[in-house]
Order: sequence, then C-alpha cells, then structure tokens
Amino acid sequence: SAVISQKPSRDICQRGTSLTIQCQVDSQVTMMFWYRQQPGQSLTLIATANQGSEATYESGFVIDKFPISRPNLTFSTLTVSNMSPEDSSIYLCSMGWGSEQYFGPGTRLTVT
Amino acid sequence: DQQVKQNSPSLSVQEGRISILNCDYTNSMFDYFLWYKKYPAEGPTFLISISSIKDKNEDGRFTVFLNKSAKHLSLHIVPSQPGDSAVYFCAAGLGGGGADGLTFGKGTHLIIQP
Repeated sequence: SAVISQKPSRDICQRGTSLTIQCQVDSQVTMMFWYRQQPGQSLTLIATANQGSEATYESGFVIDKFPISRPNLTFSTLTVSNMSPEDSSIYLCSMGWGSEQYFGPGTRLTVT
Repeated sequence: DQQVKQNSPSLSVQEGRISILNCDYTNSMFDYFLWYKKYPAEGPTFLISISSIKDKNEDGRFTVFLNKSAKHLSLHIVPSQPGDSAVYFCAAGLGGGGADGLTFGKGTHLIIQP
C-alpha cells in the first residue's frame, strides 16, 4: 500500500471563503477519489479524479462548488468554495491500488 | 436510497470471543466488497476485501463471507482484541475495489470488553 498525506489536517473557516485541500501520494496512481464524511454520517463519494482528464462528479456535487485538480499521478487538490456551515465535514482523499482503495488521514473542516 | 446497509450501529463483544459484523446491499452490480476500520480523527484503514466471484476470503484474524443470493456479507474477527475497538465500515464498488468510487454503509461501532 502507498502512503497518503493531506494538508491541512484541520481548519476553521468563515462562511463565504474557500479552502483548498491537498492530497499527496508517495506512489504514482491512476485513480484518486475525494469523499466527504458529514458529522455522524458515512463516507460519501464527491468525485473521481484521473490524471489528465476532468474530474467526474457524483450526483449532488458540482464543479463550481468543489473544483478538483489532478496535475500529476501523485497529487490532487479539492477546493471547497463559498463555504457555509453545512460544508463542515471531514474531507478524505483516497487512491485505487489494484482491487483495494486506501485513504488519507482526512481534513476536518469547520465553517463558522 | 441506501445501497449499502449496516443495520447494527454498535456491537459489544468480550475479548477473546468472535466479533461478527454484518452488511447488506441492494445493488446486484457491485462486484467488490471491502471492510475498513476507523479510529476517531484518522482516515479509514483497509482491512480485507472480497470479489463477487468468491464466497470467502481470509487474512489472519479477519474473514469475510459473501452470500450473493442474499446480498449479504459479514466480517468475522477471531479472537477479538481490545485494539479492535473502532468503527467498521462496509463498502462496495463496481469494476474492482480500486477502480471506482465506493459506496459505504453507515458503520458499526465495535466495542471489545475486557
């Protein structure tokens, strides 16, 4: 398995601002994914990010709100734009590795 | 509509005994199933997976059983240890566990009692 890191690990932001979360993997991977875990809920897939192509978003998530970049095979960013308190969640990136998927430690976002 | 369901929010088991965590799914197109363990303030840790063409997969103390006709899978932990206390998530995917985004259940909080 690869090592996945995320920055920042946590942040408190004011409503109306934006936050960019970085995800770094120590191996080259084709498939990277972004998930959200709202308080007391399960993990929900936001989008799939493949290098060299536009991210594919799940129902209920749009590019204007959650723009994603995937400039190379080891790095991706997720931006949470124009934040509201409802965006307070843990945001996690993951990477596909064969038949398995591995997760980063998560970014805990609180919007006030 | 929840496609992956874990109907037990919590489970308490004595140390040394068997822990059995259950998961049901509704989408017959899922072809890979994965179990994750999660501690507070950490990301999910991959435990074990199973392909839909198999009915059992074993890795040390962890065994996953898949019953496709019932759309049911279970994770067995034997023997249970104090460090196993965590939230366990069942997840399902299409096209292989690493090739597509996963659908998660809501999790079961396993508590191992001494």
